[in-house]
Amino acid sequence: DAGVIQSPRHEVTEMGQEVTLRCKPISGHDYLFWYRQTMMRGLELLIYFNNNVPIDDSGMPEDRFSAKMPNASFSTLKIQPSEPRDSAVYFCASSLRRTNQPQHFGDGTRLSIL
Amino acid sequence: GESVGLHLPTLSVQEGDNSIINCAYSNSASDYFIWYKQESGKGPQFIIDIRSNMDKRQGQRVTVLLNKTVKHLSLQIAATQPGDSAVYFCAEGEGGSYIPTFGRGTSLIVHP
Repeated sequence: DAGVIQSPRHEVTEMGQEVTLRCKPISGHDYLFWYRQTMMRGLELLIYFNNNVPIDDSGMPEDRFSAKMPNASFSTLKIQPSEPRDSAVYFCASSLRRTNQPQHFGDGTRLSIL
Repeated sequence: GESVGLHLPTLSVQEGDNSIINCAYSNSASDYFIWYKQESGKGPQFIIDIRSNMDKRQGQRVTVLLNKTVKHLSLQIAATQPGDSAVYFCAEGEGGSYIPTFGRGTSLIVHP
């Protein structure tokens, strides 16, 4: 079975540029999560969707961050403009709607803002 | 791995030994708990879960113990192998719609 697929795996860009991270969740999963992982703060939940609808975006650090889920099989996390402090590994995860199910993570996008 | 926090608690064991990784959780209302394994350059991978109506659950070479009285969770790995070297996270959730809270993680190093 295909797992959660993220692209790109690595992204290096200059500050001020727009960055778009992409995620394809596992087919049939109703929840989609975006996380950021850094040395200082560990794994942080940024936003999650249920049935393509954003439910909680309180973890999104600033207005420079936005996320969309136009359909059940695709989501994007966009940073515009990017800053060096946005450098991190960004993970997407998905899970089933049923009660108490584990999340399945992609292998992440390693983002470096120069 | 470089994607996880510096100054993580670290457990070093010899190959073949049993490992015990501990986790203290904070929310007494949490009723679902999960252990994840994260290898360098990869995302967290589900290992085993347990619900609050149980105090022990076993998988292949792994056992999770839950002590709700002291809000403590542990992961036991039998006959630890070099491939078990990774960062291990516990996560807790409550209320059915599972939006977990992740711990900081423990780095397990297995020496051949």
